Amino acid sequence: RKEVEQDPGPFNVPEGATVAFNCTYSNSASQSFFWYRQDCRKEPKLLMSVYSSGNEDGRFTAQLNRASQYISLLIRDSKLSDSATYLCVVNMPSSGSARQLTFGSGTQLTVLP
Amino acid sequence: NAGVTQTPKFRILKIGQSMTLQCAQDMNHNYMYWYRQDPGMGLKLIYYSVGAGITDKGEVPNGYNVSRSTTEDFPLRLELAAPSQTSVYFCASRPGTGVDNEQFFGPGTRLTVL
Repeated sequence: RKEVEQDPGPFNVPEGATVAFNCTYSNSASQSFFWYRQDCRKEPKLLMSVYSSGNEDGRFTAQLNRASQYISLLIRDSKLSDSATYLCVVNMPSSGSARQLTFGSGTQLTVLP
Repeated sequence: NAGVTQTPKFRILKIGQSMTLQCAQDMNHNYMYWYRQDPGMGLKLIYYSVGAGITDKGEVPNGYNVSRSTTEDFPLRLELAAPSQTSVYFCASRPGTGVDNEQFFGPGTRLTVL
């Protein structure tokens, strides 16, 4: 089983649609969770952290279910500029000197005019 | 602040050649990381450092070496390049031990080994 597993995608949606991405993680001792956005041929950038109580930033809502080890990202009223790859990222315990971020393979979103 | 900078942006190597990928950050971050990203895949951690003089292996360290002589710089060395090392390499940094601290990424180095 992959440590962080995401919907394979790709998702092709019309402008204005609502789209949801899911992610599961394997290590129940994981402490923090993020969604990063990566544009084509660019570096990943933090979209939002994910908190146990759920959190919202404008059109974006992130949810965490620790019992099911499941994270989600909801995008409402999709814009053309939302087209990107969305990476689910989990901060997991490691054997080294620091916790490490483990990245999912990403879900590609294309918003169509 | 320039943030995290990487050089070169692109490089083509022949099998068996060596090179150093440069990474620098001007945010006084303690933690620095090297990742590789293969097409359609997530990022895999190669090496990381929690401060000057301290480095640790990540998930895929074979074929690479790192050093951290200063807080600012974290070069990645490829010895005896192989086609399997064709990838995009990202350097990243973050402030410290807070679990919620954001990682900041450099623009990447696209390496092809032929």
